[in-house]
Amino acid sequence: KAGVTQTPRYLIKTRGQQVTLSCSPISGHRSVSWYQQTPGQGLQFLFEYFSETQRNKGNFPGRFSGRQFSNSRSEMNVSTLELGDSALYLCASRWGLGANTGELFFGEGSRLTVL
Amino acid sequence: DAKTTQPTSMDCAEGRAANLPCNHSTISGNEYVYWYRQIHSQGPQYIIHGLKNNETNEMASLIITEDRKSSTLILPHATLRDTAVYYCIVSITDSGGYQKVTFGTGTKLQVIP
Repeated sequence: KAGVTQTPRYLIKTRGQQVTLSCSPISGHRSVSWYQQTPGQGLQFLFEYFSETQRNKGNFPGRFSGRQFSNSRSEMNVSTLELGDSALYLCASRWGLGANTGELFFGEGSRLTVL
Repeated sequence: DAKTTQPTSMDCAEGRAANLPCNHSTISGNEYVYWYRQIHSQGPQYIIHGLKNNETNEMASLIITEDRKSSTLILPHATLRDTAVYYCIVSITDSGGYQKVTFGTGTKLQVIP
């Protein structure tokens, strides 16, 4: 069974640009969540999608957005990049959203550097 | 969500048992305890979870106190590959049936040769 796949693994952008990251969940998983990880802030929750609907959102500005497709694949977009957006962006999938579904499967992450 | 408290860092000798504590004194009856670990520059990895009873799998054991206010993750024979940050998470299911998973700062476990 293939794991969670994130692309690209590494990318470099400049301030003001925008970036789109992609995540393919484990087959059969309908939930995809995104996290930002920086040395100073740890793992910060961005948002979670289930069946193409955003079910929960963290405390990030509107420059951070996401979507989920009918095949459960997800993308997140960051517009007008700032230096502080440099981070490891992690995607995780799980099979459901209810009780006893907290077992998340993470990808290896996309490391974004903003210059 | 119930707050968890973990030591910032711990050391363990290779081959010995690593016992990682977690306090969650405000835990509610329907909140699960989950443990994850993150090896440097990799995505977090699920280890084990439990509600009331102790649990064991091929990776670790989870001991939850009877009052559920604390738990301990036990790695029975620590190896150098177990060096990682270990996260204890208490996850609530809200009235809409949604279970939220929120990571704290974790415990950095260093296994020493």
